[in-house]
Amino acid sequence: EAEVAQSPRYKITEKSQAVAFWCDPISGHATLYWYRQILGQGPELLVQFQDESVVDDSQLPKDRFSAERLKGVDSTLKIQPAELGDSAMYLCASSSAGNNQPQHFGDGTRLSIL
Amino acid sequence: SQQGEEDPQALSIQEGENATMNCSYKTSINNLQWYRQNSGRGLVHLILIRSNEREKHSGRLRVTLDTSKKSSSLLITASRAADTASYFCATDAEDSNYQLIWGAGTKLIIKP
Repeated sequence: EAEVAQSPRYKITEKSQAVAFWCDPISGHATLYWYRQILGQGPELLVQFQDESVVDDSQLPKDRFSAERLKGVDSTLKIQPAELGDSAMYLCASSSAGNNQPQHFGDGTRLSIL
Repeated sequence: SQQGEEDPQALSIQEGENATMNCSYKTSINNLQWYRQNSGRGLVHLILIRSNEREKHSGRLRVTLDTSKKSSSLLITASRAADTASYFCATDAEDSNYQLIWGAGTKLIIKP
C-alpha cells in the first residue's frame, strides 16, 4: 500500500551507537517530512524539507539528530549517539507542494534502543 | 505540539455497526484530514475536507466539519473487520507552512 520507500523496517541497536534511516519519496514530490511516533500517540514532526532546503527543524534535537536531502530527492535521518528514549517509529512522508495536499507515508522504521 | 484531540481514545464495536470518531482542534485551519494507521504500518490518507466545506463522502466514509465549534467527525458505515486500525485527524493551520498538526488518535476495533 505504501508508495514512499523507507529502510530499514526494523533497527535494533545499543545506546550510544549511530543509526541512520533512509527515505525515497514519491517521484515529483517536493515536500518531505520526517516524523517520530511513540506508541499510542500521533506523529511528531522532526524536520520538513522543500526540495533540498530545510523548511522547519525546530523540533529536531540537533545535538544528536541530523537530516539531509542533498539532491532534493531521497533523504537520510541520522541519530548519533542513540539514547534509550529514541526508541520509536520513524516515519517519512512526502507531498506535492501547496495547500490542501495529502501526505503519503512510508511504512516507517521501528527503532529499538537496548 | 498536538492540536487535534480525538474522542474516544478507543472504540470497540460489532462488525456491521457504524463507528463515529470525533476530533477537536484549537486554531483556524485551511483543511482537516483523516488518516488510518494499521498496526506497525504507515499512515494512509483517507479524506481531506477544506475549511469552507461542511460535509464530504468517500465510499463508506462520511466526514463533517464545524468550524464554529472547531470540530470534525468521521463516520464509518457498515464496519468491517478490515477497518480495525487507529484513526488520526490532522489539521493544516492557516499559518503552518503546510505542516500538519496531529491528534493522538482513536483506536478502533471491529469485532467479527
